[in-house]
Amino acid sequence: QLVLTQSPSASASLGASVKLTCTLTSGHSNFAIAWHQQQPGKGPRYLMKLNSDGSHIKGDGIPDRFSGSSSGAERYLTISSLQSEDEADYYCQTWGTGPVVFGGGTKLTVL
Amino acid sequence: EVQLVESGGGLVKPGGSLRLSCAASGFTFSGYNMKWVRQAPGKGLEWVSSIGSTGTFTYYADSVKGRFTISRDNAKNSLYLQIDSLRADDTAVYYCAREGRSGSPIDYWGQGTLVTVSS
Repeated sequence: QLVLTQSPSASASLGASVKLTCTLTSGHSNFAIAWHQQQPGKGPRYLMKLNSDGSHIKGDGIPDRFSGSSSGAERYLTISSLQSEDEADYYCQTWGTGPVVFGGGTKLTVL
Repeated sequence: EVQLVESGGGLVKPGGSLRLSCAASGFTFSGYNMKWVRQAPGKGLEWVSSIGSTGTFTYYADSVKGRFTISRDNAKNSLYLQIDSLRADDTAVYYCAREGRSGSPIDYWGQGTLVTVSS
């Protein structure tokens, strides 16, 4: 069964960079994922689709500060030049014909 | 501009029913698969149900199977979720979401509608 694992929390300083990780279960390392951002009190927002080769397609209006990369079963979201509005929950997601799987989310604190 | 606007949430007693609606605009609704995703207070995102672009195919999470029914009216650009036999653990914000073109993840979300199940 496919499971996506995320660290519950992360923190980084204003202006710095942070790399969030989403790990796929063994046997699913070729799966693509999506990253979504959820700012406090708001609905989620699609950031990007990230393939196993590290190529990614960002959603409308997503700044260049957001990028994705992959290594084996790990999928990464890197946010550079952190801003206060980047403080949010970040979820990874994968999909199939019908069902959708979400990671547990990472709460990012911008110090 | 793609917009998804949910409505129909509210306070309901255990065992009760609700019908959630999602009004879609800014895209050709009939060309996209759609989903409902929920989020319990302080918790993460949980997929609830998916429906194909024509309504032929539907899928449900085990936790809601037999109690929830997803449907759509392409003529009205609307997605629905009929929720029956509500339980306290169904309390959540329910989001309508669009699946991107085939082989794609969710690419647009609504703002959500809150369902509270309490006596």
